[in-house]
Amino acid sequence: AQSVTQLDSQVPVFEEAPVELRCNYSSSVSVYLFWYVQYPNQGLQLLLKYLSGSTLVKGINGFEAEFNKSQTSFHLRKPSVHISDTAEYFCAVSDGTASKLTFGTGTRLQVTL
Amino acid sequence: EAEVAQSPRYKITEKSQAVAFWCDPISGHATLYWYRQILGQGPELLVQFQDESVVDDSQLPKDRFSAERLKGVDSTLKIQPAELGDSAMYLCASSLEDSGGAGETQYFGPGTRLLVL
Repeated sequence: AQSVTQLDSQVPVFEEAPVELRCNYSSSVSVYLFWYVQYPNQGLQLLLKYLSGSTLVKGINGFEAEFNKSQTSFHLRKPSVHISDTAEYFCAVSDGTASKLTFGTGTRLQVTL
Repeated sequence: EAEVAQSPRYKITEKSQAVAFWCDPISGHATLYWYRQILGQGPELLVQFQDESVVDDSQLPKDRFSAERLKGVDSTLKIQPAELGDSAMYLCASSLEDSGGAGETQYFGPGTRLLVL
């Protein structure tokens, strides 16, 4: 079975500063990895996903993530955040054979002026 | 842009009452998912449909929850009777892959927020 750990429940950051949201996973098989964003009172929107190939994945809204198999990590980064990036961010994993997603507990990104 | 529709957006009910949620996936999406998201946690899969068939309902509390997708399009999730611990956001998602393939992007609806008093 897979599991996902998002170590930071909240990350405060100033606007235009860089940010990294951490995600670690555990699985005994090959995995697919996802980052979703959830704005208040809305559903989840896919930011990016890693299936195979290049370990650096670029997504929407200027976000990118790097798959590190040896560290079992898939950290999300953005070089310069905006107020509008304030939201909850979820890392998720599937085992590569089924579409079922296992989500982490989320990281709340709070961007302030 | 096509979206997953859910209704109602908010529901308040008393414990022991019955409640139902509706989801209309993106047109042409064969796979439909119902998730439950408790406040402060990530979504957890309750049930997955491939067309009208249940693929995975291992986490669905079958003594009180039921789900159907009779014509392989829209879906209804029912709780009877509702309990205080059922208060949560119920999210519906759909994906295009007609074989429930891994890696396929899931598109989420806005959710139904349930409060059980």
